[in-house]
Amino acid sequence: GEDVEQSLFLSVREGDSSVINCTYTDSSSTYLYWYKQEPGAGLQLLTYIFSNMDMKQDQRLTVLLNKKDKHLSLRIADTQTGDSAIYFCAESFYGSSNTGKLIFGQGTTLQVKP
Amino acid sequence: EPEVTQTPSHQVTQMGQEVILRCVPISNHLYFYWYRQILGQKVEFLVSFYNNEISEKSEIFDDQFSVERPDGSNFTLKIRSTKLEDSAMYFCASKKQGAYEQYFGPGTRLTVT
Repeated sequence: GEDVEQSLFLSVREGDSSVINCTYTDSSSTYLYWYKQEPGAGLQLLTYIFSNMDMKQDQRLTVLLNKKDKHLSLRIADTQTGDSAIYFCAESFYGSSNTGKLIFGQGTTLQVKP
Repeated sequence: EPEVTQTPSHQVTQMGQEVILRCVPISNHLYFYWYRQILGQKVEFLVSFYNNEISEKSEIFDDQFSVERPDGSNFTLKIRSTKLEDSAMYFCASKKQGAYEQYFGPGTRLTVT
C-alpha cells in the first residue's frame, strides 16, 4: 500500500543545517515532493524530484533520494528562524488510473532557535 | 504570481447541513484536486477532476461529496449532509497540463457542530 512516514519534530539552532527525513513504501511513485506549511497558511511547494534522480539542489535546499531504501531527505543549509514551519513529504503516482494524487506524510515540525 | 484562492477561510455549520466550499484554481491549470486534513492527522487525497469529470477519488469521497466546475473559474466541493467527522481543513490544488507540480490554496477550515 501507499504510506509515507516522517519524524514529527526537529529542533536546530539558527545557522545550522537541518535535515528532514521521509520514508515511503510504494516503489512505483514517480515524483517526490517537499511542501512547507507556515501557521495559518496553505501548503507551499518547495521542491520536487523525479524518482530516477538521486539529488536535486535549489539554493539552500538539497533533496536526496535513495530509491533502493525508499528514503527521501530535505537538507536546509544555514537555517533561519523564518524556516520554522511544518514540512511535508509527499509522493505522487502518474499512470493510466492515477492522476497525480499526492500521498502525504504526517509532517515534520521544524523549530529554529535563535 | 498567480495563486489558488479558497473561500470562505472558515465555515461553521450544523450537523446535517449542506456546505459548499469554493476554490478558484490558477487560470491556465486544467487538473483540480481536493484534499483534507483532520486536526493532527495527515493531509488526505479526496478527489481529482479533469476535463469536467472526476478522474480519481478516494474511499473518503462517498455519496455525500460532490465536485463541480460551474463556470470557467470556480471549482467547488459540496458536502450534502455534514457529519461531525467532516470537521477538517479542506485544501484545493491545481496543476497545469504536462506539469507535475500541484499548487495549493490556503484552505477552508470546516467546523461541524
